[in-house]
Amino acid sequence: KAGVTQTPRYLIKTRGQQVTLSCSPISGHRSVSWYQQTPGQGLQFLFEYFSETQRNKGNFPGRFSGRQFSNSRSEMNVSTLELGDSALYLCASSYKGEEQYFGPGTRLTVT
Amino acid sequence: AQSVTQPDIHITVSEGASLELRCNYSYGATPYLFWYVQSPGQGLQLLLKYFSGDTLVQGIKGFEAEFKRSQSSFNLRKPSVHWSDAAEYFCAGSSNTGKLIFGQGTTLQVKP
Repeated sequence: KAGVTQTPRYLIKTRGQQVTLSCSPISGHRSVSWYQQTPGQGLQFLFEYFSETQRNKGNFPGRFSGRQFSNSRSEMNVSTLELGDSALYLCASSYKGEEQYFGPGTRLTVT
Repeated sequence: AQSVTQPDIHITVSEGASLELRCNYSYGATPYLFWYVQSPGQGLQLLLKYFSGDTLVQGIKGFEAEFKRSQSSFNLRKPSVHWSDAAEYFCAGSSNTGKLIFGQGTTLQVKP
């Protein structure tokens, strides 16, 4: 079975721009969770989607949003980028929210 | 508030020595517990999980972990460390909601 894939792997954006990251879960998995990893804050939960509905949300501003499609693929969007949004963004999939399998991440750099 | 704590930020062990990484959790009820490993620039790989039942769980790469309810701990162990085990290790908890709460991580260095 193919693992979780994330595109793009690396991204450089300028402050004020917006960005969209994509995640394809393991086949058959219906839950997709997103995490932000930074040296200062560690791994923080952004949100989780299950069957196209946001089921959980972390403590991030409204500039961070996401969605899930009928094939379980998910995207997250960050609008009005700030320097502090530079991070590794990790996507994880699971069948219904239990053990999660992670993708390789998207490294976002905001300049 | 729910939390997971890894008291050790950095640990150095000699190759062939035993390893124990500590993890403590604070949840209203017993959470699902996990250990993940991350190599530089990579995603997280699931080492093992505890949902219920037997308190000693076996994982991949020769790792095991023991759940101790009385101590709110879920420590990771390996009898003999290999140089390739050098990485960052994360303990995480979940209430089966798709939301993992991670500890701060422990960086393992292996001396030859």
